[in-house]
Amino acid sequence: DAGVIQSPRHEVTEMGQEVTLRCKPISGHDYLFWYRQTMMRGLELLIYFNNNVPIDDSGMPEDRFSAKMPNASFSTLKIQPSEPRDSAVYFCASSLGDRDNSPLHFGNGTRLTVT
Amino acid sequence: GQSLEQPSEVTAVEGAIVQINCTYQTSGFYGLSWYQQHDGGAPTFLSYNALDGLEETGRFSSFLSRSDSYGYLLLQELQMKDSASYFCAVKWYSSASKIIFGSGTRLSIRP
Repeated sequence: DAGVIQSPRHEVTEMGQEVTLRCKPISGHDYLFWYRQTMMRGLELLIYFNNNVPIDDSGMPEDRFSAKMPNASFSTLKIQPSEPRDSAVYFCASSLGDRDNSPLHFGNGTRLTVT
Repeated sequence: GQSLEQPSEVTAVEGAIVQINCTYQTSGFYGLSWYQQHDGGAPTFLSYNALDGLEETGRFSSFLSRSDSYGYLLLQELQMKDSASYFCAVKWYSSASKIIFGSGTRLSIRP
């Protein structure tokens, strides 16, 4: 089991550029979550999918953010245009089923710096 | 409201016992989970309490009391490698499968 795989690990970009973060969940997991972590706001849930379908995107900060899950093994989080306040660590996590005790399995995260 | 409160920092001595609390105002959730995150790493699942009471997993134990609106993570025989941030998390009844995390507690261990 390779775990949740995220790429890139680090991304440095200039304000106004488009950023695409990628995630491969654990095979067989049917839930996928995108979180953002900053010192000020902690771990914030941005959006989650069930069986590739977006269920709740109420945490997406604004229209500059979008997420897709074209198939069970791949998801993207896109920021266009990026702004310095988007600088954070973005985590993807997956889980199996919707049981109360289904733990989240996190990827190693993408550290995004927008200058 | 639907938020989880934790102390921001806790310091303890190697070999000692430390308790990290998690308090909330609304108890409409399925269960309380705990995650550990080392600096630069990803959160990893530690434990889950569906019911009130104590759950033990090795040196770590977790407790939940819905009537008292709090839970805690207990770490025994502290080791330097336990220095990390610890987060409580819940899935609120009103939020389907959304898993919301507390503010996190940074645990520093002194020799």
